[in-house]
Amino acid sequence: KAGVTQTPRYLIKTRGQQVTLSCSPISGHRSVSWYQQTPGQGLQFLFEYFSETQRNKGNFPGRFSGRQFSNSRSEMNVSTLELGDSALYLCASSLGGGEETQYFGPGTRLLVL
Amino acid sequence: QKEVEQDPGPLSVPEGAIVSLNCTYSNSAFQYFMWYRQYSRKGPELLMYTYSSGNKEDGRFTAQVDKSSKYISLFIRDSQPSDSATYLCAMREYGNKLVFGAGTILRVKS
Repeated sequence: KAGVTQTPRYLIKTRGQQVTLSCSPISGHRSVSWYQQTPGQGLQFLFEYFSETQRNKGNFPGRFSGRQFSNSRSEMNVSTLELGDSALYLCASSLGGGEETQYFGPGTRLLVL
Repeated sequence: QKEVEQDPGPLSVPEGAIVSLNCTYSNSAFQYFMWYRQYSRKGPELLMYTYSSGNKEDGRFTAQVDKSSKYISLFIRDSQPSDSATYLCAMREYGNKLVFGAGTILRVKS
């Protein structure tokens, strides 16, 4: 069974631009969660989508948004990029019942110049 | 104070040693506890998943949870150079919002 895939793997943007990251979950998984990983703050939860609805949200500004499609694929968007948004963005998928294991993708490394 | 505290290391051990990794937490509502391993430039990989106090063993890995002390541990027996990675503890209440520790960098020297 294929794992979680994320595209693109690497991205360079400049301040003020916006970016969209994509995540394809494991087949059959309906929940997709997004995390930001930085050396200073570690891994932090951004939000979770289940059945095309945001089910949970972390403490990030409104510049960070996401959506989920009917095939469970998810996108994350960051608008008005700041230097501090440089990070590894990880997506994790799970079946969706709420109590099961999350499986992570390889991440998208974003560099904001 | 962070909800989950984990010593970032680095922890350097000789091949074959027993490794002990630990996390403490402050939120008594955490019900599920996980250990992930992350190699450089890769996503975290689940190693162990527990939801009750006590020990859980899987091959060379043993996860230990003490809810009364709010303390979890991961033991690695017969450590190998291929175990060199960052080990992240993670925990959650109900639902899928994981709270991670800072991660401990482990180096196993051959």
